[in-house]
Amino acid sequence: GIQVEQSPPDLILQEGANSTLRCNFSDSVNNLQWFHQNPWGQLINLFYIPSGTKQNGRLSATTVATERYSLLYISSSQTTDSGVYFCAGEIYNQGGKLIFGQGTELSVKP
Amino acid sequence: DTGVSQDPRHKITKRGQNVTFRCDPISEHNRLYWYRQTLGQGPEFLTYFQNEAQLEKSRLLSDRFSAERPKGSFSTLEIQRTEQGDSAMYLCASSFGIGTEAFFGQGTRLTVV
Repeated sequence: GIQVEQSPPDLILQEGANSTLRCNFSDSVNNLQWFHQNPWGQLINLFYIPSGTKQNGRLSATTVATERYSLLYISSSQTTDSGVYFCAGEIYNQGGKLIFGQGTELSVKP
Repeated sequence: DTGVSQDPRHKITKRGQNVTFRCDPISEHNRLYWYRQTLGQGPEFLTYFQNEAQLEKSRLLSDRFSAERPKGSFSTLEIQRTEQGDSAMYLCASSFGIGTEAFFGQGTRLTVV
């Protein structure tokens, strides 16, 4: 079926540590996006990354579309990185609607 | 460009009442999407518009739900005869369409008591 799966579901880090979040997606999904959901519920865009690698400060993302996965790297984590990270992909030929994973809840401890 | 804007941010209503939410997309975007998110889950697609035309409705959208996008600008989502199960975060997104980045509003958190 059409799926987006994220791992791990939860992650606890000490401030300053690095982490990798993974998103696997099925054949009918493409054009991956990564979001950070803030405590008030808004989805903040991190990366639009159908393929390749992008970097923005301490964050970077890589999507290997041929192998159906994407990775989000967080380096030198800060307490403000805490929250839920979602990946979402477009369902092929369905108008641009997104299917989301279940999220990774990250907690960064001082 | 002020981004996607939703109103209200929070709504508490009694069961059986009707509620209406508004979404103002990024002005250049012709696609507008509604999603619903319950606690601990990722957002789920409800419906979307291209300009003023509603092109798809999810099975999640019962006949108590209706959405409009008059003149292809802002959109409204109305829920009639609310039920406790309607309690959720309602998120609106807009984009230029297939193969382009979607941007989300702040969401409307609905609590039905």
